[in-house]
Amino acid sequence: EPEVTQTPSHQVTQMGQEVILRCVPISNHLYFYWYRQILGQKVEFLVSFYNNEISEKSEIFDDQFSVERPDGSNFTLKIRSTKLEDSAMYFCASSEALGGEQYFGPGTRLTVT
Amino acid sequence: GNSVTQMEGPVTLSEEAFLTINCTYTATGYPSLFWYVQYPGEGLQLLLKATKADDKGSNKGFEATYRKETTSFHLEKGSVQVSDSAVYFCAYGGATNKLIFGTGTLLAVQP
Repeated sequence: EPEVTQTPSHQVTQMGQEVILRCVPISNHLYFYWYRQILGQKVEFLVSFYNNEISEKSEIFDDQFSVERPDGSNFTLKIRSTKLEDSAMYFCASSEALGGEQYFGPGTRLTVT
Repeated sequence: GNSVTQMEGPVTLSEEAFLTINCTYTATGYPSLFWYVQYPGEGLQLLLKATKADDKGSNKGFEATYRKETTSFHLEKGSVQVSDSAVYFCAYGGATNKLIFGTGTLLAVQP
C-alpha cells in the first residue's frame, strides 16, 4: 500500500541552525501539507501546497519557514534559523484531491538545543 | 475561532470494555469531521469520517455520529482489544483543506 515517508525520524540541531525536513508524498497525490505537534499540545496546521505554490499557511508559518517541491517526488520543509520553540514532531501529509483524505507520514521529531 | 476539544487522557481500559472518547467542536459552516489514530511509531491514520450532520462514520468496530445540535463527534467502540491501544485524534476539515486537530487521547487497553 502506498505510504508517505519522512526522513529523518529524529533530528537534533542547535539553535540558529538551518534544518530541512524531507517528505516523499504518495506518488499520484497533488496536495501536500505540513503539520506539527509540540509535545503535549495539539497537532497544528502549518502549510498546504498545490501546483508548486503555497495554498494556505498558518500564522506559525512565518518567514523562517519555507517549503519546496524540488523534484517530482520530494516535499521539504526548511527552517532557516531554528529556535528552541521549534522543537516538535513534524508531520507531512498528502491528498489526491481537494478535501480528500489526507495520508500522513510517521513524523520527524525535531529537537533544538 | 474554530477549534476541537477532546477528552484528556490517558484512558485505561480492560479488554472487552466499552470505549467512549468525547470530542466537541466549534466551527462556522458545516465541517467534515474525522477521527485519526496513531499507533506507536507510526503516522496518523484516518480511522473514520463523517461529512454532514447525522452521518455515522464507522471502521474496525469504531463508530462516531456527527451531531450538529450538540456539536459533537464522540468515538465509541463496544469491545476494545489490546491492539486498539494508540493515540486517537479528533479533527475537522472546513472550507479550506487544512485539518484542525484536538490534543489527542491516549488509550491503553490492558489484557
